Amino acid sequence: GAVVSQHPSWVICKSGTSVKIECRSLDFQATTMFWYRQFPKQSLMLMATSNEGSKATYEQGVEKDKFLINHASLTLSTLTVTSAHPEDSSFYICSANRQNSGANVLTFGAGSRLTVL
Amino acid sequence: ILNVEQSPQSLHVQEGDSTNFTCSFPSSNFYALHWYRWETAKSPEALFVMTLNGDEKKKGRISATLNTKEGYSYLYIKGSQPEDSATYLCLQYGSGTYKYIFGTGTRLKVLA
Repeated sequence: GAVVSQHPSWVICKSGTSVKIECRSLDFQATTMFWYRQFPKQSLMLMATSNEGSKATYEQGVEKDKFLINHASLTLSTLTVTSAHPEDSSFYICSANRQNSGANVLTFGAGSRLTVL
Repeated sequence: ILNVEQSPQSLHVQEGDSTNFTCSFPSSNFYALHWYRWETAKSPEALFVMTLNGDEKKKGRISATLNTKEGYSYLYIKGSQPEDSATYLCLQYGSGTYKYIFGTGTRLKVLA
C-alpha cells in the first residue's frame, strides 16, 4: 500500500538551531502534502498545505518564516523549524492526499517528536 | 457543533468485549468523514471514508455508521482483541472549508 516515510522520528536540539523534517511518498506522487502539529491532549492542527512547485499555504497564526516548507518534487516535502525555541517542542506529522477507490484518503507519516532544550 | 468531537477520550475493555465510540461533527457543508486507527509510533491507518447519510461500512470486526443530518458517526468493534488497542481518530472534510478537521481521538486499551 501507499507509504509516506517521515524522519527523523525523534529530534532533540538546542534553542536557536534549525531542524528539518522530511516527508517522502514512497510509491505514489504527492502533489499536495499537509503538515500538522499536535500539542499534548489536543487534536492534530493543520499548519500548512504544501503544493509541489509552488508556495505553501499557511494557516492563520502559523509563522511562515518560522516554519519553512519546501515541496520541490512530487515525492518530497520538508518542514524546517528555524531558530527553534522550547515552545516549538511538539509532535509534527505530515500527510499526503491520494485517490483510493474514488475517495480522497490521507496517507500519513509516522510523525516527528521535536524537543527543544 | 463547530468542532469535531470524539467520546469517550479513552476507555479500557476486556478482550472479547464489544465496544463503540462516537464522533460528532458539524452537519452543515458536510463532504466526508474519515476514521483512522493510530498505533503508537506508527502512521495513522485509514479505516473508512464515508460520504453518504446512512452509510454503513465494515472491515473485519470493525464497522462504522454515518448520520450526516444530525452530525455523528459511530465506530463499533466486535469482540475486541489486544491488537485493537490504539487511538481511533475521526476527521471531517467540509465542502465549505475544504479542510480536514480532526477530533482528539478515542484511546482504546484492550486488556487480555
